[in-house]
Amino acid sequence: AQTVTQSQPEMSVQEAETVTLSCTYDTSESDYYLFWYKQPPSRQMILVIRQEAYKQQNATENRFSVNFQKAAKSFSLKISDSQLGDAAMYFCAYRNLSGNEKLTFGTGTRLTIIP
Amino acid sequence: NAGVTQTPKFQVLKTGQSMTLQCAQDMNHNSMYWYRQDPGMGLRLIYYSASEGTTDKGEVPNGYNVSRLNKREFSLRLESAAPSQTSVYFCASRTGESHSPLHFGNGTRLTVT
Repeated sequence: AQTVTQSQPEMSVQEAETVTLSCTYDTSESDYYLFWYKQPPSRQMILVIRQEAYKQQNATENRFSVNFQKAAKSFSLKISDSQLGDAAMYFCAYRNLSGNEKLTFGTGTRLTIIP
Repeated sequence: NAGVTQTPKFQVLKTGQSMTLQCAQDMNHNSMYWYRQDPGMGLRLIYYSASEGTTDKGEVPNGYNVSRLNKREFSLRLESAAPSQTSVYFCASRTGESHSPLHFGNGTRLTVT
């Protein structure tokens, strides 16, 4: 069974600085998708970024980028120029490419932005 | 565009009571899901429906039933609520294509006393 591990329950960063959130996963599959979701205090789950395992190039979305290391089964999220609105829980998630509908989530990292 | 709509937003039940959480999406998505979120445990899949007319168990299905009423609607029923079912429940949907992400509703906070 696939598992997703986020080893940092809490992180904090100074406004305008850069922070990296860690995620590792365990799978025997070669093709899959990885996601980062953000959950602000409003409780809404918002997709931040996604990565296809067959793509070597790391995904980027504005200030958000990932460092995808397939061999190490690592998928970290880098937030550049941190803003107060980035304060939230961040969840890493995994899904097989096909045959399994299940999206497996990590336990989350709470990110605090220090003004 | 409303996206995924869940009702109610909050609910308090007594042990043994029943209730149905409603979910509807207006994005013409094929697949729909019910997750529960508990502190320190992330989101866990209760049930999902890959397409209209089909439902399957997820990680934590015990104590729940679901109905995929039509393509838009996917309800979650607690027949006899227990304190262990106190949680935040999220409905989600996606197109069903392999690359498509989940779109979530705003969640229902359920307390069982």
